Amino acid sequence: QKEVEQNSGPLSVPEGAIASLNCTYSDRGSQSFFWYRQYSGKSPELIMSIYSNGDKEDGRFTAQLNKASQYVSLLIRDSQPSDSATYLCADYSGNTPLVFGKGTRLSVIA
Amino acid sequence: GAVVSQHPSWVICKSGTSVKIECRSLDFQATTMFWYRQFPKQSLMLMATSNEGSKATYEQGVEKDKFLINHASLTLSTLTVTSAHPEDSSFYICSAAGQGATEAFFGQGTRLTVV
Repeated sequence: QKEVEQNSGPLSVPEGAIASLNCTYSDRGSQSFFWYRQYSGKSPELIMSIYSNGDKEDGRFTAQLNKASQYVSLLIRDSQPSDSATYLCADYSGNTPLVFGKGTRLSVIA
Repeated sequence: GAVVSQHPSWVICKSGTSVKIECRSLDFQATTMFWYRQFPKQSLMLMATSNEGSKATYEQGVEKDKFLINHASLTLSTLTVTSAHPEDSSFYICSAAGQGATEAFFGQGTRLTVV
């Protein structure tokens, strides 16, 4: 059974710093990875998707994928208090269910 | 991204009654829908996967007779919580994917409180 592991945190960073969130996955054959942000009481919202080894940048967010190490990370530059949320890493293969990590709680301190 | 609408956003019901939650894909055909449940401070847990026109596949530990899932069309799936009890109080979220899709899209979630 697929597993996705994340450090539950909380991860506290000062405003303006870089927040680094990490995730490992068990299925070596997995192809697609996603980072979701979830505010308390809300549904997850997709921030980044990554399918190839290397880095993918979108604004203040950079996703990194290393398939050899089965490792996915999300960097948030210039962290803002509004970035405080739980970040979920997910593994997806076609029409099979998204497999989520437990999420990392990020707190950005002003 | 594609839009998935979930209704209602929140519902309070009495213990022993049934509650139906709807999940609609508004601008694409959802061949597969996933239903998740999330208890406070916990991660999303998959309850079941449904393919249009087929019976849902339930995860281990999820009672199929209690959580009835219907996916009769390519744009609508419903989850009915039958004979709800306070321990069923949770945040229920649907997610939908089209054929060959590379990602799934979430509904807004339904906060169910059973009193």
